[in-house]
Amino acid sequence: NAGVTQTPKFRVLKTGQSMTLLCAQDMNHEYMYWYRQDPGMGLRLIHYSVGEGTTAKGEVPDGYNVSRLKKQNFLLGLESAAPSQTSVYFCASRHGERGEQYFGPGTRLTVT
Amino acid sequence: KQEVTQIPAALSVPEGENLVLNCSFTDSAIYNLQWFRQDPGKGLTSLLLIQSSQREQTSGRLNASLDKSSGRSTLYIAASQPGDSATYLCAVAGSARQLTFGSGTQLTVLP
Repeated sequence: NAGVTQTPKFRVLKTGQSMTLLCAQDMNHEYMYWYRQDPGMGLRLIHYSVGEGTTAKGEVPDGYNVSRLKKQNFLLGLESAAPSQTSVYFCASRHGERGEQYFGPGTRLTVT
Repeated sequence: KQEVTQIPAALSVPEGENLVLNCSFTDSAIYNLQWFRQDPGKGLTSLLLIQSSQREQTSGRLNASLDKSSGRSTLYIAASQPGDSATYLCAVAGSARQLTFGSGTQLTVLP
């Protein structure tokens, strides 16, 4: 039981490049989330999903897209990376609205 | 919009002390509240989850309380140890199916 895993752990992009961050969970959770964490800003929700095939915008969705084609996977895409997207990205999942939320180890992204 | 505040932002205590971290939230219509620990450069580890119908939860040296009507939660750490040094975050789950996080309390326990 690996819990929540994230790929990759580190990445450096140049402005304008694209990439996809992968989040996988093996707990059969319905809800999955993508956050970014920046110094002085705390954790901010980018997008979330309440089930396979569904996605919704969070607090800071601009510049990101997501997909939830399989229940266990939640993908975060950056179509044209900007330096403002330099951050640590965390994925999380939980079972329903009252469930405990579990976090992945994070992806450290630098956009130059 | 739900807002979560944690006080103090930083706390330094000598080893062995009992301490309390505070969390307050503006909208009392919550499903639950969760306390996390984050070590530098690491992800978040769940410590305790309190459902809205509960008053407290305990795990080892940790005890979390919830007063939903006043919008407050506390995390009590007994007999603190240097290994407890980390940032502690509280988060509330509401009807929007999202967690709203506080900005955290950075705890340092001095040997």
